[in-house]
Amino acid sequence: GENVEQHPSTLSVQEGDSAVIKCTYSDSASNYFPWYKQELGKRPQLIIDIRSNVGEKKDQRIAVTLNKTAKHFSLHITETQPEDSAVYFCAADNTNAGKSTFGDGTTLTVKP
Amino acid sequence: SAVISQKPSRDICQRGTSLTIQCQVDSQVTMMFWYRQQPGQSLTLIATANQGSEATYESGFVIDKFPISRPNLTFSTLTVSNMSPEDSSIYLCSVEVRGLVTQYFGPGTRLTVL
Repeated sequence: GENVEQHPSTLSVQEGDSAVIKCTYSDSASNYFPWYKQELGKRPQLIIDIRSNVGEKKDQRIAVTLNKTAKHFSLHITETQPEDSAVYFCAADNTNAGKSTFGDGTTLTVKP
Repeated sequence: SAVISQKPSRDICQRGTSLTIQCQVDSQVTMMFWYRQQPGQSLTLIATANQGSEATYESGFVIDKFPISRPNLTFSTLTVSNMSPEDSSIYLCSVEVRGLVTQYFGPGTRLTVL
């Protein structure tokens, strides 16, 4: 089955700096890669996603890149703000199989 | 998107008892999933709830311990049977809306087993 590794497990940045979280996956059949943000005590919520036919996608301060050959994808957050502090999960999904495999999560702390 | 509710939001149960968690969606969805999230941990898929047929369980999870029902396209239940303290966790349902791939999560049920 699919295996997703996520790094780092914790990340602390100064407000205004950039943050990068990286994930690797094992199953070449995976074709959809969402990122979720989970604030303390809340449900995971989708913040950005990318499909395997696209190399990069950007939404304001958030961007995701995908390297299919190397089987890795990354989340980039620029100009970080304290409200970006949360746990971020990457996932890899084979839409034909219909389920996602999640990474272990990255706890991001943005210090004011 | 979809509006998802879960009941109960939290419960404290005694060892050996069972708890049924309900997941209700405001629209018909193709896929419904049940996850477990232990404190500070990632999301572990328990099973896919199939409408009109038996749920599909992931490795390490069995129907006798986690029976699941899905009587229609908007509702599912997960029962945690014969509970032990190791079952203390947050249980979340998620759905895939028809035509989309993205999963939307319910608010979760925080279960504590004494």
